[in-house]
Amino acid sequence: ETGVTQSPTHLIKTRGQQVTLRCSSQSGHNTVSWYQQALGQGPQFIFQYYREEENGRGNFPPRFSGLQFPNYSSELNVNALELDDSALYLCASSPSGSARFDEQFFGPGTRLTVL
Amino acid sequence: KQEVTQIPAALSVPEGENLVLNCSFTDSAIYNLQWFRQDPGKGLTSLLLIQSSQREQTSGRLNASLDKSSGRSTLYIAASQPGDSATYLCAVDRGSTLGRLYFGRGTQLTVWP
Repeated sequence: ETGVTQSPTHLIKTRGQQVTLRCSSQSGHNTVSWYQQALGQGPQFIFQYYREEENGRGNFPPRFSGLQFPNYSSELNVNALELDDSALYLCASSPSGSARFDEQFFGPGTRLTVL
Repeated sequence: KQEVTQIPAALSVPEGENLVLNCSFTDSAIYNLQWFRQDPGKGLTSLLLIQSSQREQTSGRLNASLDKSSGRSTLYIAASQPGDSATYLCAVDRGSTLGRLYFGRGTQLTVWP
């Protein structure tokens, strides 16, 4: 158990809809990152938040957005869903902003299916 | 751009064998390398973290080595067991965004009794 939880476990949406995925980090973990893992692929970095500010972004369009809250929870929002957004969405947390030496702890993921 | 490659893509072995999984990366300026295990449809479990200044890390039957200059890491699994069956992913922290991990596609391991 990593102490990182995600909800919901599974989600089915239709093209064009909006979705919010949630992550709860361990207490004291100021950094949270979100990854998208398509079937048969390695996870791809979406963005990272440190103390409620976006701290870096991967090659994802603006319809992917996020929020981080003071209580160590965070959200990933995706607007105008496309079929290719179907994937496992993972959040990862680490104890500090200087995450270069920190082990990252992943949640169990949310499986999103877009029909 | 950092690219991570894992070989082989899949491996099927009988119980008891010693295994080597390979990971290579294109940019040697990394801060650390992490090996993960992923069970089907599940999240990632961290196995070993090697900082850039280290050469290897060991945990139980697992040993990971890192050669930054050649851009390679290996994960050695001793005396494999059916419970080791999973996908093994390596990831490097390049540091352009602190803590951003670049992943390979993984090696899918099956250990049969």
